[in-house]
Amino acid sequence: LAKTTQPISMDSYEGQEVNITCSHNNIATNDYITWYQQFPSQGPRFIIQGYKTKVTNEVASLFIPADRKSSTLSLPRVSLSDTAVYYCLVGDSLTDSWGKLQFGSGTQVVVTP
Amino acid sequence: NAGVTQTPKFQVLKTGQSMTLQCAQDMNHNSMYWYRQDPGMGLRLIYYSASEGTTDKGEVPNGYNVSRLNKREFSLRLESAAPSQTSVYFCASSELRGADQPQHFGDGTRLSIL
Repeated sequence: LAKTTQPISMDSYEGQEVNITCSHNNIATNDYITWYQQFPSQGPRFIIQGYKTKVTNEVASLFIPADRKSSTLSLPRVSLSDTAVYYCLVGDSLTDSWGKLQFGSGTQVVVTP
Repeated sequence: NAGVTQTPKFQVLKTGQSMTLQCAQDMNHNSMYWYRQDPGMGLRLIYYSASEGTTDKGEVPNGYNVSRLNKREFSLRLESAAPSQTSVYFCASSELRGADQPQHFGDGTRLSIL
């Protein structure tokens, strides 16, 4: 599985856009990029997934450049309730190592008024 | 829609005691997972079950055993609890096997071992 690197923490004010970049230099051809959100005292929650270019849903956007060596999760106009830890995962369904998922330490996003 | 249900939510054990953490999902998912999360750290995979009847070790399997009782249920057992196993345990499921499959998580079991 591709190793991922994310910033440890990011601070933002309400109403701003937050962009979290995840580096995955050794991403494989069949790998997908998946992002999860975790609130305190809760399990992680799937928020978005992509393979290339741009994906958007009601929660976030995911930007993936052509070389796919990084990806950026964009949270538009954040509110206090977006304070959470965000995890980037990279992997596929084809290799035997799929079961050894590693969430890493994630990025702690703190939104203040 | 309950999703993934974990029981109990909290538990305190003494060193050497045994315990089984229960997990059930109602989404008809094929794959299930057990993770542990220690303070300030991400989730580490303990065991997973790609489908009913199969289980495999993850990153940190020592000291644990699992049972995929049926398609819905996946239990985690600590045979002789140790203080190093104090952690929050999360169960998850996905429709299919694979690192690209979105996982649905329960709210966790907070386990303290004295």
